[in-house]
Amino acid sequence: DTGVSQDPRHKITKRGQNVTFRCDPISEHNRLYWYRQTLGQGPEFLTYFQNEAQLEKSRLLSDRFSAERPKGSFSTLEIQRTEQGDSAMYLCASSLEPNLYEQYFGPGTRLTVT
Amino acid sequence: DAKTTQPNSMESNEEEPVHLPCNHSTISGTDYIHWYRQLPSQGPEYVIHGLTSNVNNRMASLAIAEDRKSSTLILHRATLRDAAVYYCILKTPSGNTPLVFGKGTRLSVIA
Repeated sequence: DTGVSQDPRHKITKRGQNVTFRCDPISEHNRLYWYRQTLGQGPEFLTYFQNEAQLEKSRLLSDRFSAERPKGSFSTLEIQRTEQGDSAMYLCASSLEPNLYEQYFGPGTRLTVT
Repeated sequence: DAKTTQPNSMESNEEEPVHLPCNHSTISGTDYIHWYRQLPSQGPEYVIHGLTSNVNNRMASLAIAEDRKSSTLILHRATLRDAAVYYCILKTPSGNTPLVFGKGTRLSVIA
C-alpha cells in the first residue's frame, strides 16, 4: 500500500493557462474525492467519484473546473483559464466502500497562479 | 451541514496529555463525530471517530458527552510530532455526504 499520490506536487502557472492535476488513489479504493484548501482554512470539498461515476459535482467552484476518472482508477482535475484566486492546495482522497469512515488523503498539489 | 466549534489554537508541553474540545450542539442522531489532523505540508489524516461511546485507538481517545453536544479528543502524551491542525467533523455514515472541514484547532507542542 503506497498511499494516495498526487502529481505534480507544485505547479506555477500564468493567469489564463490551463492546468491538470493527477491523483492516484490507494489501489482498489472505489471512492475518490477532490478538495481545495486555501491558506488558513480547512479543506473544501469539490467533487467525488464512485468508481468512474462522478456522483457529486455541484460544488465545483465554477465551470472552469472539471474532473474525470475514466477507468475508475486515477483521476484528473482540470482548471481552465486559471485566475489568481485559484491559487490553493488541491487535495485528493480515497476510501473503500463500505468503510466510509476513513478517507486517506494525498500530499496535495500546490497551485500558484501568477 | 452540521457545524462544530473549536478553539483556534492550543498549546501543550511535550509528554503531557492534551484535551482538544469540540462543541456540536446541533448534532443529529445519525451524525458520527470524526477527528482528522493535518501536519505541516501534508494532507489531513484520520485520527478517530465515534457515535455515542468513548473510543480508543493507537493514536488517541475520543470522549463523547452523554448528550452528544460536545466531544474531546485526548492525546495521552503529546510529542513534537503531534503539532498539527486538528479538525472535528460531523458526518452521517452515508457515503454521499462529504467531509466538511472547519478551521480546526492549531496545536503547538513545546519541548
